[in-house]
Amino acid sequence: DTAVSQTPKYLVTQMGNDKSIKCEQNLGHDTMYWYKQDSKKFLKIMFSYNNKELIINETVPNRFSPKSPDKAHLNLHINSLELGDSAVYFCASSLREGLREQFFGPGTRLTVL
Amino acid sequence: AQSVAQPEDQVNVAEGNPLTVKCTYSVSGNPYLFWYVQYPNRGLQFLLKYITGDNLVKGSYGFEAEFNKSQTSFHLKKPSALVSDSALYFCAVSRAGAGSYQLTFGKGTKLSVIP
Repeated sequence: DTAVSQTPKYLVTQMGNDKSIKCEQNLGHDTMYWYKQDSKKFLKIMFSYNNKELIINETVPNRFSPKSPDKAHLNLHINSLELGDSAVYFCASSLREGLREQFFGPGTRLTVL
Repeated sequence: AQSVAQPEDQVNVAEGNPLTVKCTYSVSGNPYLFWYVQYPNRGLQFLLKYITGDNLVKGSYGFEAEFNKSQTSFHLKKPSALVSDSALYFCAVSRAGAGSYQLTFGKGTKLSVIP
């Protein structure tokens, strides 16, 4: 069974469009994250949610908006896509207490043309 | 602020030889350190972590890491490399802040194990 799943796996779109990436975890975790991995493989956290509440919001353009309908889901909506948004986006989850490790999804490769 | 340095972009090692992937960190207070591995076109997988206790931490797939507080290092090691160990390895440090734990990752080290 997939622990952390993301859809779609690949997303190709035009500049200016709005798109969403969905993430679901079936691990019973209470904290979920979105990361961006650029073309040089550098990984940077974008958002962190705990029990549906935003905990961390790094310096990310407000075109990016996370939405957490429940503890098991954390979706990422991106408005007015730009060329620089092209990257691989990873969702992850963990238990908040005890410094537990994070479990990552397979990633969504976003290409903006 | 916290940071992680992985000084080598790439490490090449012959199959069967020991391997080391280096990591140094900077953080205020006690560090919580992690190693993750990323295979091509996959998400990151947890290998091991150091929170407290024994400085030598054992993890998945025969990997281990040694925490050295005086050198602020957390190098990843394996006694005998396998071709299947070839992947991208990330070191990460965590701190408590805003009620949650935020991982800061290094830039990654590509490990190539040569048959």
